[in-house]
Amino acid sequence: GENVEQHPSTLSVQEGDSAVIKCTYSDSASNYFPWYKQELGKGPQLIIDIRSNVGEKKDQRIAVTLNKTAKHFSLHITETQPEDSAVYFCAASSSGGSYIPTFGRGTSLIVHP
Amino acid sequence: DVKVTQSSRYLVKRTGEKVFLECVQDMDHENMFWYRQDPGLGLRLIYFSYDVKMKEKGDIPEGYSVSREKKERFSLILESASTNQTSMYLCASSPPDRAYTEAFFGQGTRLTVV
Repeated sequence: GENVEQHPSTLSVQEGDSAVIKCTYSDSASNYFPWYKQELGKGPQLIIDIRSNVGEKKDQRIAVTLNKTAKHFSLHITETQPEDSAVYFCAASSSGGSYIPTFGRGTSLIVHP
Repeated sequence: DVKVTQSSRYLVKRTGEKVFLECVQDMDHENMFWYRQDPGLGLRLIYFSYDVKMKEKGDIPEGYSVSREKKERFSLILESASTNQTSMYLCASSPPDRAYTEAFFGQGTRLTVV
């Protein structure tokens, strides 16, 4: 089955800095890669996703890049703000096989004011 | 907005008790999931269901069962609660399109077994 590795497990930055979270996946059939943000006391919520036919996608301060050859994808947050502090999960799934997403172990991002 | 509602935010149960965690979604989604979240282990799939009365085991089904009698409701059952089932439990739902499917999560139930 699919295996998703996520790094780092914790990330501490100063407000205004950039943050990068990286994930690798094992199943070359995976073609959908969502990122979820989990704020304290809440369930995860989708913030951005990318499909395998796209190399990069941006939405304001967040962006995701995908390298299909190397089987890795990354979340980039620019100009971080304290409200970006949360746990972030990457996931991978395949429309052609198991559509159940496999999640990474999560990254706790702390943005210091 | 899609809403996934879990019946309890916090639960404290005794070892050996039968525990029911309830989840309801209001968007007519076919797919529903139960995950367990533990620090450093991420989200692990316990069971999922793609239709009423249908269920499939996930990665860690031991000690759990599920029930889906109505499309909007998916229940997780701990047959005999044990202390190693102390965890955060998350319910999720998603539409039937198997390609590029976003999952919508509830707020979670933090279960403590004493």
